[in-house]
Amino acid sequence: GENVEQHPSTLSVQEGDSAVIKCTYSDSASNYFPWYKQELGKRPQLIIDIRSNVGEKKDQRIAVTLNKTAKHFSLHITETQPEDSAVYFCATNRGEGNQFYFGTGTSLTVIP
Amino acid sequence: GAVVSQHPSRVICKSGTSVKIECRSLDFQATTMFWYRQFPKKSLMLMATSNEGSKATYEQGVEKDKFLINHASLTLSTLTVTSAHPEDSSFYICSASNAGGYFYEQYFGPGTRLTVT
Repeated sequence: GENVEQHPSTLSVQEGDSAVIKCTYSDSASNYFPWYKQELGKRPQLIIDIRSNVGEKKDQRIAVTLNKTAKHFSLHITETQPEDSAVYFCATNRGEGNQFYFGTGTSLTVIP
Repeated sequence: GAVVSQHPSRVICKSGTSVKIECRSLDFQATTMFWYRQFPKKSLMLMATSNEGSKATYEQGVEKDKFLINHASLTLSTLTVTSAHPEDSSFYICSASNAGGYFYEQYFGPGTRLTVT
């Protein structure tokens, strides 16, 4: 099955600094790459996504970059704030379908 | 819009009993719903894909006779954990795809914490 690797597993940054999380995948047919934020005991919330025909997408402090050739995509959070602290999951879809494989998660802590 | 609810949010049951978890799309029609399992500090693991009016598709290693899924309407899917055992204790999350929206986008429910004693 699809193997989605996510790094790092934990990340601590000072408030105001940037955070970068990277995922690699193996299914070359995947064409949708969402990022989810999950706070403890809560549901995953979609924060940004990118489709395979785009290399970069930005939404205020959050951006995602995609390198389909290398099969990796990254989440970039700038000007981090304490409320950004959560677990972040990347995901890819299976083939061109809408079933997801999730990465292993990154626990982000933003230190005030 | 695109709200998904789950009920119950928490349930404690005795070993050997069955538990039913409901997943509802409140303001949209969901032709496809997904059931995930999440262990503490771990990722979401897809258990099965549920399409309205048809049998669910289970992931490899997931026992379909143990985790019964029913998707009888465009707004409701249920997961029944039969003959539950302590190892079934986990956080179960459903998600739904909006039939009228972007094919790939999934909206997640708040999850159900199952504890089997």
